[in-house]
Amino acid sequence: DGGITQSPKYLFRKEGQNVTLSCEQNLNHDAMYWYRQDPGQGLRLIYYSQIVNDFQKGDIAEGYSVSREKKESFPLTVTSAQKNPTAFYLCASKWAGTGNYEQYFGPGTRLTVT
Amino acid sequence: DQQVKQNSPSLSVQEGRISILNCDYTNSMFDYFLWYKKYPAEGPTFLISISSIKDKNEDGRFTVFLNKSAKHLSLHIVPSQPGDSAVYFCAALAYTDKLIFGTGTRLQVFP
Repeated sequence: DGGITQSPKYLFRKEGQNVTLSCEQNLNHDAMYWYRQDPGQGLRLIYYSQIVNDFQKGDIAEGYSVSREKKESFPLTVTSAQKNPTAFYLCASKWAGTGNYEQYFGPGTRLTVT
Repeated sequence: DQQVKQNSPSLSVQEGRISILNCDYTNSMFDYFLWYKKYPAEGPTFLISISSIKDKNEDGRFTVFLNKSAKHLSLHIVPSQPGDSAVYFCAALAYTDKLIFGTGTRLQVFP
C-alpha cells in the first residue's frame, strides 16, 4: 500500500520541550511539505523540500526545524521557540517536474502543548 | 495578506441540489488551481484541478469553473450527497511550486 504516514495521530507535550513529528512516504515522491492548520486559517506552509539534503522555509518557519536525509522521510521538529505550537500538522508529498502539481497528504498529527 | 480567499466559511445544501463553493485570488500570476476535500482529523484529499488555459474542468459530479478576468473560481457539486459534507479548500500554484491555500468552506449536505 503506497501512501504517506504520520505518527503519532495525537501528541501531547509540556511547554518548553522540543517535539519531533514523523512523516514517511513510500510513493517515491521527490518533494515533501509540512503545513500547519489552525481553526479558520486554512493550511499554512512551514517548510518544504524538493530534494534530499535540501529544504526551504515556508511562510511560518520560525520555531520549527526539519531535515531531509532520506527521500522517504521528512521529520519536523517543533522547538520551544515556537510561540503557539498547538495545532494540526499535515505532511504532504508530490512528484517533482513540470505538470505534477497535486500534493498528496498524510492523515495529520494533532499536537497539544500545555 | 490572503492571496487566496474563500469568503464563505460555511454552506448548507439539501441532498440532491447543487452546491457551489467560491474562491477568489489576488495574484494574476497564478496559473493552476486545485480543490481539496477534508474530513475532520484527516488529511485533505485532492478533488479536481484546472489550468488557467481552460475555463472549465469536469469530473463526474464535480465541475470547476475559472474566470480569469474576475480572478474567481468555483466548484460545483451536482447532485450533492451527504458524503460530500466536509471542508473544501481551494489552492493556487505559486511560481515557486508552492500551493497557497484558502481558509476553507465547510459544506453540510442535509437530507
